[in-house]
Amino acid sequence: GESVGLHLPTLSVQEGDNSIINCAYSNSASDYFIWYKQESGKGPQFIIDIRSNMDKRQGQRVTVLLNKTVKHLSLQIAATQPGDSAVYFCAETDPYSGAGSYQLTFGKGTKLSVIP
Amino acid sequence: GEEVAQTPKHLVRGEGQKAKLYCAPIKGHSYVFWYQQVLKNEFKFLISFQNENVFDETGMPKERFSAKCLPNSPCSLEIQATKLEDSAVYFCASSQSKAGELFFGEGSRLTVL
Repeated sequence: GESVGLHLPTLSVQEGDNSIINCAYSNSASDYFIWYKQESGKGPQFIIDIRSNMDKRQGQRVTVLLNKTVKHLSLQIAATQPGDSAVYFCAETDPYSGAGSYQLTFGKGTKLSVIP
Repeated sequence: GEEVAQTPKHLVRGEGQKAKLYCAPIKGHSYVFWYQQVLKNEFKFLISFQNENVFDETGMPKERFSAKCLPNSPCSLEIQATKLEDSAVYFCASSQSKAGELFFGEGSRLTVL
């Protein structure tokens, strides 16, 4: 079973509806942002990325919005499908952190449940 | 290979025992990263390599954790004298460049009893 103390924000959406997952970041020096999808028992899977010189980027059924003023990132999924059910993580990199290795700092994750 | 391969998938150790995890990056990828995921949620950066050289080890607990990436061998992450709080899933990821897309393996779940 699940570990005691696990508490993930959860978003439940009806199949076919649009989903919006939000992420707040704190490091104003971060210049590259990525959204990952993690299915149960799997590693994070790249969905879409955006650099700090952009405020919007679109992929197939997904859009990432970046608001640097309020340090906010969002992932929009159009026409959500059951296969989209997973935990979604935002991640950011600051080229000046650590040894400049572009290590990722992950957000806490949001669990998306799609209701058929 | 075409994907990051991690072994073993599951490892159980008694407190105080040693644990060693392996990672074969995607062929042609020069950068390898190790992350620790606790309670299916938070990811913590541990260490990164550029080929066999440590690139950034600012996330590594100094005392009990060590890692290597030797030529023609899988990369490894070793924990000496494991503690209960080391229980986590350890993910390896590789990329072609230090700022390129990261490809993650499926992780190795370490349970310390």
